[in-house]
Amino acid sequence: DTAVSQTPKYLVTQMGNDKSIKCEQNLGHDTMYWYKQDSKKFLKIMFSYNNKELIINETVPNRFSPKSPDKAHLNLHINSLELGDSAVYFCASSQGGAGANVLTFGAGSRLTVL
Amino acid sequence: AQTVTQSQPEMSVQEAETVTLSCTYDTSESDYYLFWYKQPPSRQMILVIRQEAYKQQNATENRFSVNFQKAAKSFSLKISDSQLGDAAMYFCAYSNTDKLIFGTGTRLQVFP
Repeated sequence: DTAVSQTPKYLVTQMGNDKSIKCEQNLGHDTMYWYKQDSKKFLKIMFSYNNKELIINETVPNRFSPKSPDKAHLNLHINSLELGDSAVYFCASSQGGAGANVLTFGAGSRLTVL
Repeated sequence: AQTVTQSQPEMSVQEAETVTLSCTYDTSESDYYLFWYKQPPSRQMILVIRQEAYKQQNATENRFSVNFQKAAKSFSLKISDSQLGDAAMYFCAYSNTDKLIFGTGTRLQVFP
């Protein structure tokens, strides 16, 4: 059983489209995250939620909207996709905040915007 | 703001040899945690090792060990008896309360 699962794993779309990436964790964790890994492999946090409440919202364009329907799910919706949104998006979860706790990552979703 | 620096974009090692990956960080906090994550070509992020800043003793996990120098804000990863499966991107990361901050990564190649 996959602990943190993301769908889809690959997504190719045109500029201007809207797309969503879904994430689910079966670890019983209360905190979930979205990270973006750019073409240079740099990983940067975008959002985190604790028990469905938004905790971190880094400087991310408001075209990106996370939604957490319950503590096991954190989805990422992106409007009006741009070329620069091409990246790998990682979902992660932890029990409690990131301080002392180990994050468990999903396998990533590679988004390519043409 | 906290930052994590990995000054070696690429490293290589012969199978069965030892290699050390460097990491430095900047923080004004006294209590924090440091991690090394591995990202093989499969893209999956895998925890390698974790160190609590309040612990003097360096963490070890089988062939992986760290050299944690708190005063110098240095956290290097030593891989002993390197194996072909160790080839991956290695990321150093820092956290204190709410988020994990990553370095830019070191690509490790392992030659037979």
